[in-house]
Amino acid sequence: GENVEQHPSTLSVQEGDSAVIKCTYSDSASNYFPWYKQELGKRPQLIIDIRSNVGEKKDQRIAVTLNKTAKHFSLHITETQPEDSAVYFCAATPTGTASKLTFGTGTRLQVTL
Amino acid sequence: DSGVTQTPKHLITATGQRVTLRCSPRSGDLSVYWYQQSLDQGLQFLIQYYNGEERAKGNILERFSAQQFPDLHSELNLSSLELGDSALYFCASSVSVDSTYSPLHFGNGTRLTVT
Repeated sequence: GENVEQHPSTLSVQEGDSAVIKCTYSDSASNYFPWYKQELGKRPQLIIDIRSNVGEKKDQRIAVTLNKTAKHFSLHITETQPEDSAVYFCAATPTGTASKLTFGTGTRLQVTL
Repeated sequence: DSGVTQTPKHLITATGQRVTLRCSPRSGDLSVYWYQQSLDQGLQFLIQYYNGEERAKGNILERFSAQQFPDLHSELNLSSLELGDSALYFCASSVSVDSTYSPLHFGNGTRLTVT
């Protein structure tokens, strides 16, 4: 089955700096890669996703890049703000088999003033 | 608010006991997923139901079972509870059977503590 590794497990940046979280996956059939943000004590929320037919997707300060050859994808957050502090999870799955949505172990991002 | 309702929010019980967690999906969503989140682990997929039928199983223990009712709400039953079952249990729902086309919407979770 799919195995998703996520790094780093914790990340501390100063407000205004950029943050990058990286994930690798094992199943070459995976072609859907969502990112979820989970604030302390709250539910995971989808923040951005990318499919394998594109290499990059942006949404305001958030961007995700995908390298299918290397089987890795990354989340980039620019101009970080304190409200970006949360745990971020990457995930991967082949299309059509959503039950195999496999999550990474999470990255705790702390944005300091 | 995601529209996914989970009850109860917290549950404290003793080892060996049985509990039932309940989930009401967003209006119009036919798929319900259950995930377990332990302290040092990510989100572990347990089971998926679509329109009342079981669609897929993940790493769900034999002591655990679930069902989805005609009104589409779902229940996760955990029996012969062990200390290691203490975790946050999330329910998520989506419109279609394939959440790659309709994203998952998570509930606020049920925190289970087994003493």
